[in-house]
Amino acid sequence: GAGVSQSPRYKVAKRGQDVALRCDPISGHVSLFWYQQALGQGPEFLTYFQNEAQLDKSGLPSDRFFAERPEGSVSTLKIQRTQQEDSAVYLCASSPVTPGLHFGNGTRLTVT
Amino acid sequence: AQSVSQHNHHVILSEAASLELGCNYSYGGTVNLFWYVQYPGQHLQLLLKYFSGDPLVKGIKGFEAEFIKSKFSFNLRKPSVQWSDTAEYFCAVRESGNTPLVFGKGTRLSVIA
Repeated sequence: GAGVSQSPRYKVAKRGQDVALRCDPISGHVSLFWYQQALGQGPEFLTYFQNEAQLDKSGLPSDRFFAERPEGSVSTLKIQRTQQEDSAVYLCASSPVTPGLHFGNGTRLTVT
Repeated sequence: AQSVSQHNHHVILSEAASLELGCNYSYGGTVNLFWYVQYPGQHLQLLLKYFSGDPLVKGIKGFEAEFIKSKFSFNLRKPSVQWSDTAEYFCAVRESGNTPLVFGKGTRLSVIA
């Protein structure tokens, strides 16, 4: 059984570039979460989907951050005009109807 | 807003020593509680969780945690650590339902021979 898959595993972007991070959740998982984990910190919530509906985006740090899940499965987190403070590991997690998060390996974003 | 406090930033133990990692949370209502572990280079993995019932929860790899509602605590314990337990440990809390988890900052455990 495949787990949560994230790509790319590593991304280096020059400041000002746009990036797109992909998450393939476990098949059939209704809920999908994005978290940001800075070095030496715990994961911080960004946004949450239930199927294709984005129910909570209160954690997105600025309007440069945008997430979508148009068909209720794969999700993309987009960061426009990246800044150095965006450097972090971006974690995706999925969950079936009954709670219990399954995390992917994350995408390590470095903005130079 | 909820917050989660993990008291120890870095813990260093010898093999076979006993472990207790502290976790306190701020929310006063019904909560679900979790401990996750992140081994070097790997993704977050669930160690154990508490939803209701017996406040002493047993997880994988010999870990257990005790929910003490009056103290808003959910401390993680293991009677005898092994070198392979070296990892980062995160406590997480959420209000009941499929709401986002709130994580603590993590505790790094180093087990030395």
